[in-house]
Amino acid sequence: DTGVSQDPRHKITKRGQNVTFRCDPISEHNRLYWYRQTLGQGPEFLTYFQNEAQLEKSRLLSDRFSAERPKGSFSTLEIQRTEQGDSAMYLCASSLVGASGGYRPYNEQFFGPGTRLTVL
Amino acid sequence: AQSVTQPDIHITVSEGASLELRCNYSYGATPYLFWYVQSPGQGLQLLLKYFSGDTLVQGIKGFEAEFKRSQSSFNLRKPSVHWSDAAEYFCAVRSGGYQKVTFGIGTKLQVIP
Repeated sequence: DTGVSQDPRHKITKRGQNVTFRCDPISEHNRLYWYRQTLGQGPEFLTYFQNEAQLEKSRLLSDRFSAERPKGSFSTLEIQRTEQGDSAMYLCASSLVGASGGYRPYNEQFFGPGTRLTVL
Repeated sequence: AQSVTQPDIHITVSEGASLELRCNYSYGATPYLFWYVQSPGQGLQLLLKYFSGDTLVQGIKGFEAEFKRSQSSFNLRKPSVHWSDAAEYFCAVRSGGYQKVTFGIGTKLQVIP
């Protein structure tokens, strides 16, 4: 078990460019979450997947943001036409729920190291 | 809607001293509560969690937290702080039926010799 990994760790881009981040969850985990953390704040929920299905999206996820998890394993988060306000740490987390999809209260989320995005 | 308040943005303690980080939550039913630690440039590591049962929970690295329903609090404690504990600490809450975790603003801990 190598934990949750994210790539790249750092990304610097110019305003208006598109960026894509990748998250590889813990291998047997069927749920995957994306959070955004701006300087001096706690992480804020963006979206989550159960297998390949995107089940919830925050209002923070504007139409410039899109997330996918095509095969129920890794996930990508794309930001189109980046703005300076998009500068943040983007965190990915994963968790395991029962095979039946039943709710398990001890469904703790394991976080990756994050991708730090700087938009110039 | 669930929310978390961490009233102390920054705390400084001497190495070897005791520590208490405050956390208050807002949620109607019994919440699921967490404390995470984040070192600079790193992701979040779970210290401990509370779901039900004993209101005093033990975590990793010698940390513990006590759930007090009457005060809507879940304060984190450690009897003797080590220099390696310097980091940012986040309290978080999740409602029973949802997957979204709501985090507090965080408390940055500085440890001085």
